[in-house]
Order: sequence, then structure tokens, then C-alpha cells
Amino acid sequence: QVQLQESGPGLVKPSETLSLTCTVSGGSVSSGSYYWSWIRQPPGRGLEWIGYIYYNGNTDYNPSLKSRVTISVDTSKNQFSLKLSSVTAADAAVFYCARYFRDSYYFDYWGQGTLVTVSS
Amino acid sequence: QSALTQPASVSGSPGQSITISCTGTSSDVGTHNLVSWYRQHPGKAPKLMIYEVSKRPSGVSNRFSGSKSGNTASLTISGLQAEDEADYYCCSYAGSSTWVFGGGTILTVL
Repeated sequence: QVQLQESGPGLVKPSETLSLTCTVSGGSVSSGSYYWSWIRQPPGRGLEWIGYIYYNGNTDYNPSLKSRVTISVDTSKNQFSLKLSSVTAADAAVFYCARYFRDSYYFDYWGQGTLVTVSS
Repeated sequence: QSALTQPASVSGSPGQSITISCTGTSSDVGTHNLVSWYRQHPGKAPKLMIYEVSKRPSGVSNRFSGSKSGNTASLTISGLQAEDEADYYCCSYAGSSTWVFGGGTILTVL
């Protein structure tokens, strides 16, 4: 059974960089069948796709966040990571990592989510 | 890239059927048959219920069905059960390797 687990600071100061890591178990980030994604959900609001990465390092990002987002993958640790720079209060959200199945175009496994608050 | 439009809430009684709409544009829902639906219970991660407009993953009840007409996709739940009470989100491929979600719909089982 594939499991994803987010980790990282729950509090980030305005203007700083948010950094999160997703650890994958029961599956491999090196699999060519999947992209590894980040999705966020501000409190009480809907989901927003942030971006995803392929095992070879190819990335795609939400155009509205592209200038501030970097997603990277570490195949040796079976992890992938998110960096979001210059955060503001509007970036506060539950952040989910998820697996995207490229052959059928859906997000099939999700982490439980981690809440990140932006405050000084 | 704007969020897909969903009704804020829908409701139905046990045993009834409800439909949740998801309206996009000709750049996303209207062009690509790559709409998926997710159910999210409070405090939980979303769960895939429908993909590629109308396909059900293994293990998802056949009470859930999906369809699309023009720029609007729909999720229908028949034989409503208490466990169906949750938030539902649609998601569509938006071109250029990007994805867009709907704002979410709260389903209340009366």
C-alpha cells in the first residue's frame, strides 16, 4: 500500500521560504508511471494544484505560483520536496503531497496533509 | 487559470439522488475528457471517486457516476447514504501540463 507523509515546519514567517518534504513508502518516486505532486487547501477553502515533478526532475507548476515555487526530488531517499518563497498570510494552508498517475490522469494517493501557518 | 465553478452546497435525503455540477471553460473541462472527482471528509485527505469524466476506480460504489456536457461536468450520487456527507471537488486538466480544481461543494444528507 502506497503511503505519503508530509513533514516540515508548521509556522513560517512572512517573506520567508516555506519548505516541506514528502516521504513515500510502499512505492518508488523513481517509477516512470507517476508524477509527484503538491496541492494546498487554505482553511475553509478549496484545493489548489501547486505543481508536480517527474523522477527525472522535470517539473510543471501552477502559473499563478510559478515564480515562487520549486519542487525537487531525491530518489535516494524516496522523497520529494516543496519550496515556496516570499510567503504571505495568503499562503497559509494545509499542504498535501499526492501521487499523480500519468496514464489515467488522476491523483490516487494523498498524504494526510500538514498545516502551515504564516505569522511573525 | 481560474478555479472551476461548483455550487457551494447541495443536499438530499437518504435514498435520493443528487447531482453536483462543475463548470469550466473551453480551455479545461470543455476540451479535455480529463475530469476527476474527489470526496473529502472533514480533516481527511481527498479520495478519488471518478476519473476521466465517468470512470470509477476499483472499490468505489457504482452509486457514483460522472458525465460531461460542453464546459460542464457533473457528479451524480444515487441512493444517498449518510456516509456520502462530505465535501466534493472536481478537477480538470487545463492544458500545458497544469491542473485546476473546483471550489468544492458541501453535500449534506438530510
